[in-house]
Amino acid sequence: NAGVMQNPRHLVRRRGQEARLRCSPMKGHSHVYWYRQLPEEGLKFMVYLQKENIIDESGMPKERFSAEFPKEGPSILRIQQVVRGDSAAYFCASSPRRELRYEQYFGPGTRLTVT
Amino acid sequence: QQPVQSPQAVILREGEDAVINCSSSKALYSVHWYRQKHGEAPVFLMILLKGGEQKGHEKISASFNEKKQQSSLYLTASQLSYSGTYFCGTVPYGGSQGNLIFGKGTKLSVKP
Repeated sequence: NAGVMQNPRHLVRRRGQEARLRCSPMKGHSHVYWYRQLPEEGLKFMVYLQKENIIDESGMPKERFSAEFPKEGPSILRIQQVVRGDSAAYFCASSPRRELRYEQYFGPGTRLTVT
Repeated sequence: QQPVQSPQAVILREGEDAVINCSSSKALYSVHWYRQKHGEAPVFLMILLKGGEQKGHEKISASFNEKKQQSSLYLTASQLSYSGTYFCGTVPYGGSQGNLIFGKGTKLSVKP
């Protein structure tokens, strides 16, 4: 059973470009979470999605960031007009149920570097 | 409302024990523990739920004091493979059930 998959693993963008990060949840999981991690910091929640629905986006910056989880295909975290402060590791996690009685399984992350 | 973890870092010799604490200012529904090695994904260790239910690894134990809003992770007879940064993630009552609020982590180094 394949785990959570993320690609690319490393992404370099110049200031002002767009970054697209992809996440394929574990088989049978329909709940996806995105987190951002700065060096030496904990994970900060960004957004929680189910298929075709954004359930909670309280951790997403209001501008430049968007996320989707279409009926077919991976979940996408999109960052427009990237700035240096967007450099971080972005992790997605998936779980089989909505309630947080169930563990979240994390992908290997995408390390975004903005130059 | 970020939980506070203590200690921030600990160094052990193989075979020694350690306790990592996680404290919240809010009433908690559950506490989740993860371990992350440098450059890797966080790995699930344990969930502790209100009412005493636990799910997790057999070799790792933890406690959840609901009244004090605290959880502790117990690592006994540590092995080199235990090295990494341990994070607690909390789910407060009344908060969104869609996200975990993580502490800043406790860095554990196990030496031979």
